[in-house]
Amino acid sequence: KNEVEQSPQNLTAQEGEFITINCSYSVGISALHWLQQHPGGGIVSLFMLSSGKKKHGRLIATINIQEKHSSLHITASHPRDSAVYICAVLNRDDKIIFGKGTRLHILP
Amino acid sequence: ETGVTQTPRHLVMGMTNKKSLKCEQHLGHNAMYWYKQSAKKPLELMFVYSLEERVENNSVPSRFSPECPNSSHLFLHLHTLQPEDSALYLCASRLEIASSTDTQYFGPGTRLTVL
Repeated sequence: KNEVEQSPQNLTAQEGEFITINCSYSVGISALHWLQQHPGGGIVSLFMLSSGKKKHGRLIATINIQEKHSSLHITASHPRDSAVYICAVLNRDDKIIFGKGTRLHILP
Repeated sequence: ETGVTQTPRHLVMGMTNKKSLKCEQHLGHNAMYWYKQSAKKPLELMFVYSLEERVENNSVPSRFSPECPNSSHLFLHLHTLQPEDSALYLCASRLEIASSTDTQYFGPGTRLTVL
């Protein structure tokens, strides 16, 4: 079993839909990252969380440390949101562990 | 084990030293990446190579010098670094730079400490 699990693995939705991507982890962490990878480029960091909730525009990330779970939400989704979304955690030994990613496809 | 290896795993160097980080993959990937993961900061993309040609340099100081002699190897040459350069340096590879179906495979990282 991977130490970082994401669900779903693939998600296709219509433009405008509310999107939720989940991340569960089994190790103690000091921080959790949500990353975005577009087909044409490298990975960029969307959020870094150690507690609570953060919001950037239409993106919202939450983390529940007790439940070892984080969610990434996209409101009013748009075709340009189509990308691979990756959850990554920094464990207490300072090692970064990546989830396998969620491939999101938003249809116009 | 992702198939991407990095050496050394840990490196301590003084500000006047010159050292190199090495990344290797035999996955048949054509795109390779260097990232910097600093404490308390998000992951930062540094350099992108596609078929041994640098295609992206994200305003990285010249004390970091990448080299990609072939599609399986990527180096990061370090000289006159500053203590704030201490971080985890991650290498990644991907089949093609413009592929819509692939994710990146990350190496385990090199933990660099600059004294």
